[in-house]
Amino acid sequence: DAGITQSPRHKVTETGTPVTLRCHQTENHRYMYWYRQDPGHGLRLIHYSYGVKDTDKGEVSDGYSVSRSKTEDFLLTLESATSSQTSVYFCAISERAGESSYNEQFFGPGTRLTVL
Amino acid sequence: SQQGEEDPQALSIQEGENATMNCSYKTSINNLQWYRQNSGRGLVHLILIRSNEREKHSGRLRVTLDTSKKSSSLLITASRAADTASYFCATELRGSWGKLQFGAGTQVVVTP
Repeated sequence: DAGITQSPRHKVTETGTPVTLRCHQTENHRYMYWYRQDPGHGLRLIHYSYGVKDTDKGEVSDGYSVSRSKTEDFLLTLESATSSQTSVYFCAISERAGESSYNEQFFGPGTRLTVL
Repeated sequence: SQQGEEDPQALSIQEGENATMNCSYKTSINNLQWYRQNSGRGLVHLILIRSNEREKHSGRLRVTLDTSKKSSSLLITASRAADTASYFCATELRGSWGKLQFGAGTQVVVTP
């Protein structure tokens, strides 16, 4: 298995509180991604990173921020959690395959977040 | 709206039968990937097919890609109970920094 861990694995929090989820990799992959998974939607990209301190928004980025100060760590922060952010969050990593394409993504085990 | 759409949404078969699921997408891609997710677990990569490839095999898996129809199919031959899972197609769009767009998945149940 690719060396990707997520912490915490489960979290219950209250509306309005800040939450930070951590993704840690030991593969030295340059590209990292945060997704959320909700029933009927598959996975949707929240934010991604293409290098240390280089991040950009995905399709569902509102209410989320990210930081990447080291290659191995990618943090996802919910500044003020809302019930609509109750979801399962997955981190993924990948590397480039060539000039304009990428290899497969390796996924972490997920974090189940419940916002009451 | 989602780039990849899987069909069917759910599939129930018996061990030994083949399972086929399809994926359609809307815009030009670099590659198309298939992933499996067992209940409560993370996604596991199965196979990647690039836009200049038409067919790929990996063990009991066979993937085809028709870029003119913007569609792909995943065939699992001689299915086993352990193949019970959700299967997702994901497309890497051109110029997208490796970002993937996932479909909603096909839930496959293989009964002994």
